[in-house]
Amino acid sequence: DAGVIQSPRHEVTEMGQEVTLRCKPISGHDYLFWYRQTMMRGLELLIYFNNNVPIDDSGMPEDRFSAKMPNASFSTLKIQPSEPRDSAVYFCASRGLGGGSYEQYFGPGTRLTVT
Amino acid sequence: RKEVEQDPGPFNVPEGATVAFNCTYSNSASQSFFWYRQDCRKEPKLLMSVYSSGNEDGRFTAQLNRASQYISLLIRDSKLSDSATYLCVVNAPNSNYQLIWGAGTKLIIKP
Repeated sequence: DAGVIQSPRHEVTEMGQEVTLRCKPISGHDYLFWYRQTMMRGLELLIYFNNNVPIDDSGMPEDRFSAKMPNASFSTLKIQPSEPRDSAVYFCASRGLGGGSYEQYFGPGTRLTVT
Repeated sequence: RKEVEQDPGPFNVPEGATVAFNCTYSNSASQSFFWYRQDCRKEPKLLMSVYSSGNEDGRFTAQLNRASQYISLLIRDSKLSDSATYLCVVNAPNSNYQLIWGAGTKLIIKP
């Protein structure tokens, strides 16, 4: 299994530009999570999906952030317009249904820098 | 008060020593507990789940104290490769699948 795949791995953009982060969860996993990690705030849950449906987006910081999951194998997190304070590492994670386990499998992350 | 609190460290420990760190959680309704490990500039990975009776995995021992609402991780015979940030994680009581993450404890093992 390839694990959770994220792209791009690094993104540098200027303030005001649109940024799209991509995630492919592990095949067969029905939960997908988007997190943001910074030194100051640690790991924050932004939004999560179950069977492609957004369940809780209360962690999305503001309207500039949006996330979609058009099918079971793909999700995007979009920031428009981007701001320097959005600079962080964005992780996507997925988990499966079996065994009642809460274990989440993380992708390698996208390191976003907004200048 | 943060939902999950950890000493950020860093803990500087000589190779071969035993090190322990704790984490406290605020919601007594939490039922599932975990330690994740995160290497520098990498993603978090599950180290071990924490069971009520305590559990061991090689050099690692995790314990849960529900009365005091804290979780501990003990590492024996520490290796240089144990250097990482250790994240304490509990489930969100009102959700079957959401996790609440501590900010992490940084561990540095010195030769």
